[in-house]
Amino acid sequence: DTEVTQTPKHLVMGMTNKKSLKCEQHMGHRAMYWYKQKAKKPPELMFVYSYEKLSINESVPSRFSPECPNSSLLNLHLHALQPEDSALYLCASSQEGPAQDTQYFGPGTRLTVL
Amino acid sequence: DQQVKQNSPSLSVQEGRISILNCDYTNSMFDYFLWYKKYPAEGPTFLISISSIKDKNEDGRFTVFLNKSAKHLSLHIVPSQPGDSAVYFCAASAHWSQTSYDKVIFGPGTSLSVIP
Repeated sequence: DTEVTQTPKHLVMGMTNKKSLKCEQHMGHRAMYWYKQKAKKPPELMFVYSYEKLSINESVPSRFSPECPNSSLLNLHLHALQPEDSALYLCASSQEGPAQDTQYFGPGTRLTVL
Repeated sequence: DQQVKQNSPSLSVQEGRISILNCDYTNSMFDYFLWYKKYPAEGPTFLISISSIKDKNEDGRFTVFLNKSAKHLSLHIVPSQPGDSAVYFCAASAHWSQTSYDKVIFGPGTSLSVIP
């Protein structure tokens, strides 16, 4: 089983809203990731959690706040987003860390900020 | 500065023929390479990977070749099928050092169209 699930599939929010994206994996992976992908561009890394601790923050604005409640779950809390934050948000997981390890991606959440 | 390059934004191939997708990288520290396939509005799906200690890895219709001296890898799909039509991302990773962090770098992608 190499499944990473993400909810919701689609999300439309206003600039004053607070919402959360959720990601779950049951593969026993110890590293989890958030990526942002714009149309016709490669995924851009946002955050990496390793053993439930934030290990990488790619200078992401504070309106994006990650949370790892346990080894299977990863959340991304959104607040006061801008229209340019509209994108596909992808969650991924891997056995250990990015190096020499395969990341498995979820289907993504299509976010539209009005 | 793109560390992972896919110089062909798009590629069209007849069904049943071979598709060859190319990828070049600039940093000799990369030691693990992956190919992902992506349909619109979906997450990337892992296809195949190769470690720098190998020069070839095969999985069914998919074969990845690595030429370390040229810093080049390619993905061969034989025979190509219409369902292979998607965007293909090349990705590379390395264990940089004990004090810095590891990261996967994605190329810009190549859009493959397999014509029936």
